Amino acid sequence: AQSVTQLGSHVSVSEGALVLLRCNYSSSVPPYLFWYVQYPNQGLQLLLKYTTGATLVKGINGFEAEFKKSETSFHLTKPSAHMSDAAEYFCAVSESDSWGKLQFGAGTQVVVTP
Amino acid sequence: DARVTQTPRHKVTEMGQEVTMRCQPILGHNTVFWYRQTMMQGLELLAYFRNRAPLDDSGMPKDRFSAEMPDATLATLKIQPSEPRDSAVYFCASGSPGTANTEAFFGQGTRLTVV
Repeated sequence: AQSVTQLGSHVSVSEGALVLLRCNYSSSVPPYLFWYVQYPNQGLQLLLKYTTGATLVKGINGFEAEFKKSETSFHLTKPSAHMSDAAEYFCAVSESDSWGKLQFGAGTQVVVTP
Repeated sequence: DARVTQTPRHKVTEMGQEVTMRCQPILGHNTVFWYRQTMMQGLELLAYFRNRAPLDDSGMPKDRFSAEMPDATLATLKIQPSEPRDSAVYFCASGSPGTANTEAFFGQGTRLTVV
């Protein structure tokens, strides 16, 4: 069984400040990990993913995440927030032996203030 | 460009009516997922298909929900009869395992309101 915990349902950051969204997971087999972004009234867009290999993953829009197996974490960061980063962000886990079955976290709403 | 297409985008219906939601997966993708998003439960997997065969529909209320893939270009999700608690956004996603691009692509969703 797998599960995802996102710390903080709402995060407010100033434009230009660091964005840090926390995600911890549990999985009984090696996980695939994902971050998705959802803009209002839109579907989910993949920001980045970790499957195997390098544990620091770079994604679109300047985001990156680091897989830390010892901490069962996959936190998302962006050095400098932009107004266009305001959206809801979802961390998700898929077990490597059941491709595509995503277990989502509850989501974190990001507000960017001028 | 390739995308998952869902219709309708919005649906308002009365309790007890049948609702059918449609999804056109990206051409060539052999796996289709149905997810539901609500404020209370977040994003939940309802069912998924591979090569048009249902692999897992354990997340779906069996008494009123049904999912099918009449052909490789169409997936449907039906609710009969619909209830107010079915109000949610329903997402379809498609992909193909075993490829370099190991991700599922999501459609824009069908926002269902049952009154």
